[in-house]
Amino acid sequence: DGGITQSPKYLFRKEGQNVTLSCEQNLNHDAMYWYRQDPGQGLRLIYYSQIVNDFQKGDIAEGYSVSREKKESFPLTVTSAQKNPTAFYLCATYGWRTSGSDAYEQFFGPGTRLTVL
Amino acid sequence: AQKITQTQPGMFVQEKEAVTLDCTYDTSDQSYGLFWYKQPSSGEMIFLIYQGSYDEQNATEGRYSLNFQKARKSANLVISASQLGDSAMYFCAMRPWGTGNQFYFGTGTSLTVIP
Repeated sequence: DGGITQSPKYLFRKEGQNVTLSCEQNLNHDAMYWYRQDPGQGLRLIYYSQIVNDFQKGDIAEGYSVSREKKESFPLTVTSAQKNPTAFYLCATYGWRTSGSDAYEQFFGPGTRLTVL
Repeated sequence: AQKITQTQPGMFVQEKEAVTLDCTYDTSDQSYGLFWYKQPSSGEMIFLIYQGSYDEQNATEGRYSLNFQKARKSANLVISASQLGDSAMYFCAMRPWGTGNQFYFGTGTSLTVIP
C-alpha cells in the first residue's frame, strides 16, 4: 500500500532539546512538505522540497531545519531556537490521484503531535 | 499575494440537510487549483474535492460539490445529505501553478452535524 509514514505519533521533549520528526513516503512523489498546525488553526508551511537535495523555506521556517537526501525521506528537525514548538506537525507529498477523478492531490501523513515540556 | 479566506469559524447543520462552507481566494495567477480537505478529530487530512481554474464545470465527488465562481474568486464546498460522520474541520486550499507546488490553506471551518 502506498502512503506516507510519520513517526512517532506522539513525541515529548524537554525544552532546549533538538528533535527530529520522521517522514517517509513510497508514493514516488517528487514534492514533499512540512506543515505546522496549532489548535483551532489552519496549516502553516514550514519547508517544502520539490526534488532531492533541494528545499525552500515556507512562511514559518525559523527554528526548523530539513534535509532531502533521498526521494522517499524528508525529516524535519525542530531546534532549540524554535520559541514555541508544541504543535501538530503534518508531512505531505503532491502527486497524481490514484483513485477517483483525474486530478493532482496533496497527500498527508497521519501527523506527529509534539509536546515540549 | 496569495490568500485563502474562510469566514465561518463554526457551522451547525441538521442531519440529512445540505450545508455550504464558504471559501474565497486571492491570487494573481491565471492558473491554479482549488482543494477541500476534511480533518476529523484524529488529525488526518482527507482529500475531498479538486477544481482547476480552467475547469468549466463545477467539480463533484459523491455528496461533495464545489460551487466555483471564478469572477468572484469563490470556491464554496456544498455537502448534501449531511451525516454525523461529517462533523470535522474543513479546510480550503489553493495551489497557484506559478509558485512551484506551494499550497495555501485557509483557517478552516468547524462543522457540527446535529442528529
